[in-house]
Amino acid sequence: KAGVTQTPRYLIKTRGQQVTLSCSPISGHRSVSWYQQTPGQGLQFLFEYFSETQRNKGNFPGRFSGRQFSNSRSEMNVSTLELGDSALYLCASSHGTQSYLGNEQFFGPGTRLTVL
Amino acid sequence: AQSVTQLGSHVSVSEGALVLLRCNYSSSVPPYLFWYVQYPNQGLQLLLKYTTGATLVKGINGFEAEFKKSETSFHLTKPSAHMSDAAEYFCAVSAGSGTYKYIFGTGTRLKVLA
Repeated sequence: KAGVTQTPRYLIKTRGQQVTLSCSPISGHRSVSWYQQTPGQGLQFLFEYFSETQRNKGNFPGRFSGRQFSNSRSEMNVSTLELGDSALYLCASSHGTQSYLGNEQFFGPGTRLTVL
Repeated sequence: AQSVTQLGSHVSVSEGALVLLRCNYSSSVPPYLFWYVQYPNQGLQLLLKYTTGATLVKGINGFEAEFKKSETSFHLTKPSAHMSDAAEYFCAVSAGSGTYKYIFGTGTRLKVLA
């Protein structure tokens, strides 16, 4: 079974631009979560989607948004990029439903975003 | 609200020595606890998890962790370190209802000395 894939792997943007990152979960997984990883803040939860619905959101400004498609693929978008948005963005998928929190999350390799 | 604290952002051990990475959690409801490992330029990989039942959990690559409710701890251990264990390790908690949010610790970078 193929793992979680994220595209692109590396991205360089300038301040003020917007960016869209893509995540394809493991086949059959319906839950997709996004995390931002930086050396200073560690892993911060962005949002989680299940069956095309956002059901949980972290403490990030509205510039960060996401969506999930009917095939469970997910995208996240960051508008008006700031220098501080430079980070590794990780996507994770899970087979879990809302009622079972113990399911493992499977992580992709991440997209490294650099904002100049 | 849930939280996780990992003591020691950097830990160095000699090859063959005991590995002990510390994790304490805070949760108002029974938690699900996880340890993940991240190798350079890769995503996170699950080492082990505690949901319910046996408090001593065995994972991959010889790692294990013990859930101690009285101490609110979930420390990760491995009897004998190998060079390939050098990586960053994250403890995480997932708890609550209707949420699929993991709260991660800040990570511990393990260095294995030859």
